[in-house]
Amino acid sequence: DAGVIQSPRHEVTEMGQEVTLRCKPISGHNSLFWYRQTMMRGLELLIYFNNNVPIDDSGMPEDRFSAKMPNASFSTLKIQPSEPRDSAVYFCASNVAGGLLDTQYFGPGTRLTVL
Amino acid sequence: AQSVTQLGSHVSVSEGALVLLRCNYSSSVPPYLFWYVQYPNQGLQLLLKYTSAATLVKGINGFEAEFKKSETSFHLTKPSAHMSDAAEYFCAVTTPTGTASKLTFGTGTRLQVTL
Repeated sequence: DAGVIQSPRHEVTEMGQEVTLRCKPISGHNSLFWYRQTMMRGLELLIYFNNNVPIDDSGMPEDRFSAKMPNASFSTLKIQPSEPRDSAVYFCASNVAGGLLDTQYFGPGTRLTVL
Repeated sequence: AQSVTQLGSHVSVSEGALVLLRCNYSSSVPPYLFWYVQYPNQGLQLLLKYTSAATLVKGINGFEAEFKKSETSFHLTKPSAHMSDAAEYFCAVTTPTGTASKLTFGTGTRLQVTL
């Protein structure tokens, strides 16, 4: 079975440019999570969706960040305009939100570098 | 609010030696606890999880963890380290939120295994 798919795996862009990260969750999973990992702040939850609806976006750092989930098989995280401090590894994870014990399956991540 | 504290950002053990990675949690309600492993340039993978049943939980790759409520701890152990265990390990906690499993991660412990 295919796991969580993220694209691109690596992204290098210049400050001020728009960046779009993509995620395809595991088929049948109805919850999707976006995380950011940095050396300074560790692993932070940015936003999560349940049945394509954003449930908690309190971790989104500022208005430059936005996330959408137009259908059950696709989500995007957009940064506009990007800044050097956004450089990090961004992970997407999914699970079946049938209860609190459901394992989250992580994608391989997108390494973003903003110059 | 829930949180986890991982004591020791770096741990080094010899191959064949005992592995002990420490995690203490804080939660106002009974928690569910997880250990994840991250190999270089990869996403996180679940090692094991505490589901309020048995307090001693066995996971993959020979790892296990014991939930101790009196000590608010969930330390990860492995009797004999292998070179392939070198990775970063994250403890995480979740508590009832209703619709999805919102994990709060610790800052991680990097395990080094030497010959």
